[in-house]
Amino acid sequence: DVKVTQSSRYLVKRTGEKVFLECVQDMDHENMFWYRQDPGLGLRLIYFSYDVKMKEKGDIPEGYSVSREKKERFSLILESASTNQTSMYLCASSLEVGLAVTGELFFGEGSRLTVL
Amino acid sequence: GEDVEQSLFLSVREGDSSVINCTYTDSSSTYLYWYKQEPGAGLQLLTYIFSNMDMKQDQRLTVLLNKKDKHLSLRIADTQTGDSAIYFCAVAGFQKLVFGTGTRLLVSP
Repeated sequence: DVKVTQSSRYLVKRTGEKVFLECVQDMDHENMFWYRQDPGLGLRLIYFSYDVKMKEKGDIPEGYSVSREKKERFSLILESASTNQTSMYLCASSLEVGLAVTGELFFGEGSRLTVL
Repeated sequence: GEDVEQSLFLSVREGDSSVINCTYTDSSSTYLYWYKQEPGAGLQLLTYIFSNMDMKQDQRLTVLLNKKDKHLSLRIADTQTGDSAIYFCAVAGFQKLVFGTGTRLLVSP
């Protein structure tokens, strides 16, 4: 089975702190994604990566950055956390040829971040 | 960009059919998906339909696609309490999936 593991299920941080959210997948997938999930807003794409060291902005990249140094690992970084970044963060991966997304996304269980 | 809309809540009784609706704006999407999120978990793919199909049936699940109206629906027959979850519609765009707002299905005994 494909496994996408997010290192932290629950985090509480203070405003201004730097936050790292880690995601690891074990199926040699090319594409990896970071979404945030908020009630009534669904899932919104923050960043995605289709290859090592490659990254693309999603729909809401402001206040976030990402790192993909190894194929299996995709990190989301909040340089200076703010209260409006309190949310559920979901990592996903997929195996696709090229850049078109036509197949299944495999999701981690999510990281619930609270910024005080 | 692509916009995908769903109603937020649906409540049904156990044994009834549930119908979850979704509308989207990009008619060029080749694949359309339904994902399920159980409490405390990530999303899992439930089913999908290719854009040249009108209907797809998979056991208790029926997906209907009306391309003209850009409307997708998921019907769950004989709904069980274990079907209580959030259901997300998603459409394939260039380089990414665009998700709807999610419909929370509550099944009462």
